[in-house]
Amino acid sequence: DVKVTQSSRYLVKRTGEKVFLECVQDMDHENMFWYRQDPGLGLRLIYFSYDVKMKEKGDIPEGYSVSREKKERFSLILESASTNQTSMYLCASSFQSGSSFYEQYFGPGTRLTVT
Amino acid sequence: TQLLEQSPQFLSIQEGENLTVYCNSSSVFSSLQWYRQEPGEGPVLLVTVVTGGEVKKLKRLTFQFGDARKDSSLHITAAQPGDTGLYLCAFRDGGSQGNLIFGKGTKLSVKP
Repeated sequence: DVKVTQSSRYLVKRTGEKVFLECVQDMDHENMFWYRQDPGLGLRLIYFSYDVKMKEKGDIPEGYSVSREKKERFSLILESASTNQTSMYLCASSFQSGSSFYEQYFGPGTRLTVT
Repeated sequence: TQLLEQSPQFLSIQEGENLTVYCNSSSVFSSLQWYRQEPGEGPVLLVTVVTGGEVKKLKRLTFQFGDARKDSSLHITAAQPGDTGLYLCAFRDGGSQGNLIFGKGTKLSVKP
């Protein structure tokens, strides 16, 4: 079974704090993704990575950065948390090979509240 | 521009009822995926449909891919409270190495 784990299920931070969200997958997937999910807005892609040390901006990268130093680990960093970053954060991973349909496997999510 | 339209947006039914939710687009898909997200959890892949006209069954869930591969439906027979969740459809962004485009989902509530 594919397993994607996220470092925290719930997190409460103060405005201006630096926040680290970690994601680890155990299936040797090349691709990793960070999304945020808000009511009425659906899943929105923040950043993604196709390989170690590689990162690409998604649809809403402002206020976020990422790090991928090892294949299995993809970290999302909020440089200076703001209240509008209160959200559910979801990490996902997938294969990159042409024989797959790029199905994504998600972690359980981190519910971040910024006060 | 929303590439994937899911309908209805919300659905509240009683246990034992049947239901169908839809995923539509003006684009042709090479494949399409359905996910279910239970409250407070991440989405979980249910099925991938690939061939136009394809029908796949997963216990009480029946997935159909349109002949023209522009739409898909999910039918649930005799819904149970455990079916409650957000149902998402997604297709591969052809210009990428694996990004998916997700619809906004149908939020289903099955009351006992």
